[in-house]
Order: sequence, then structure tokens, then C-alpha cells
Amino acid sequence: QSVLTQPPSLSGAPGQRVTISCTGSSFNIGAGFGVHWYQHLPGTAPKLLIYATTSRPSGVPDRFSGSKSGTSASLAISGLQADDEADYFCQSHDSSLSGVIFGGGTKLTVL
Amino acid sequence: QVQLVESGGGVVRPGRSLRLSCVASGFTFSCCGFYWVRQAPGKGLEWVALIYYDGGKKYYADSVKGRFTISRDDSKNTLYLEMNSLRAEDTAVYYCARDVGDYASGTSHFDHWGRGTLVTVSS
Repeated sequence: QSVLTQPPSLSGAPGQRVTISCTGSSFNIGAGFGVHWYQHLPGTAPKLLIYATTSRPSGVPDRFSGSKSGTSASLAISGLQADDEADYFCQSHDSSLSGVIFGGGTKLTVL
Repeated sequence: QVQLVESGGGVVRPGRSLRLSCVASGFTFSCCGFYWVRQAPGKGLEWVALIYYDGGKKYYADSVKGRFTISRDDSKNTLYLEMNSLRAEDTAVYYCARDVGDYASGTSHFDHWGRGTLVTVSS
């Protein structure tokens, strides 16, 4: 059971906008700790998409954006493309566990 | 370009030991802290251990404390994870990841990861 809760799967058609949620608690996201998002294709190295809740590393398209409200964060992907099909997971810090925590991951399917 | 390459995984019997390595290239290895993060089959990610940029501080998840040891050799650009008293529940893909945040302030996050190495603990 992951500390951060994500929907196990999501799908969207090419060109659509999808949003992946990441729900935490007052000990992590709600406490103001940043949320970070990664894209992961099986057998490859995970890739950092969003850090500190809303910032994008250089090279990541602006189709990817992050936001937060209360104890939840979201990753939005607009203009969905076939190669966006991957697993996405969120990460933050938990003050009660004194460490890094992860979401369970969301498998995104592009129809 | 920045690369992290893990090795050392394999099949091992419960109670035995294994040492994982992560060789880094493309950057100054001593700049950064590193984590080992694992993913058991069908499960989410779990942080295992972290080592500061200077090796001065090390932290472990409760699930591995006393059994696993993280270390680094900056002269070889290599991160290690010594795993002792292995259990079936340690079966996972193990990733090394470069931390570009700060554990103490709760801002740890990872700008580069390796592809992982599979550890299977089974009799």
C-alpha cells in the first residue's frame, strides 16, 4: 500500500488532455512538501518530468504540467501522443515517516 | 551525458548476501547524494537507502535497517548496496538514483536513474 494514492490506470485518445491525481495527507503533500513526477517505461530508467510540484526540467515539453491543491497533486498531459503511453508515478516527502514516499503508479494508455 | 548503470543482481537463496553496484558517468560523482530505490513485482516504489554527497550521512528504510549497507567509492564513481540476510520480500528491481534535492529539508528528488537490476530471493 503506497502512501501516495494514484489511479492504477487511465486512458485517453491522441490529442486529448488527461490528468493523473496523487493523493496524500497532512504529513506530506498537505504539509507543503514538493511533489515530483516521473515517466517510466518498463526496462528503462525513470525520467523526471516535474519537480517541486510545478517546475519542468529542461527538455521536458510544456505539454506536461503539475499542480497541487490541499493534500493532492496532479500531473496534466495535454495534446496526448502515442509515445506518452507509459507508467507515471509521483513522489514526495513524509514528515511522519521521515523519508521519501512514492505513489503506486498510473499506467497511461493512449487509445 | 549522465549515465547510471546498475549491476550485481541475480537469484539468491534466503539468508544469503549480494552486493549491487551502480557505476556513474558523465558528471562529477562527488557532487551528489544517491538513493537506492526498489520496486517489488506488482508493487510501487520504495526507497531503500540514501548516502550523502560526502558519504557523511547514511539513512535506511526500516525494512532493511541492520541488513543493508550503502556506500560509495568516489575514486571509482561507484555506489554500492551490500545486502545481507536476504528475505523473499527483498525480491525487486533495484534502481540507483541521483538526488538533486536535500533529504534534511524534505526536497529529495531524482534527476537521473539507472535501468535497474533484478534481485530474486528464492529457495
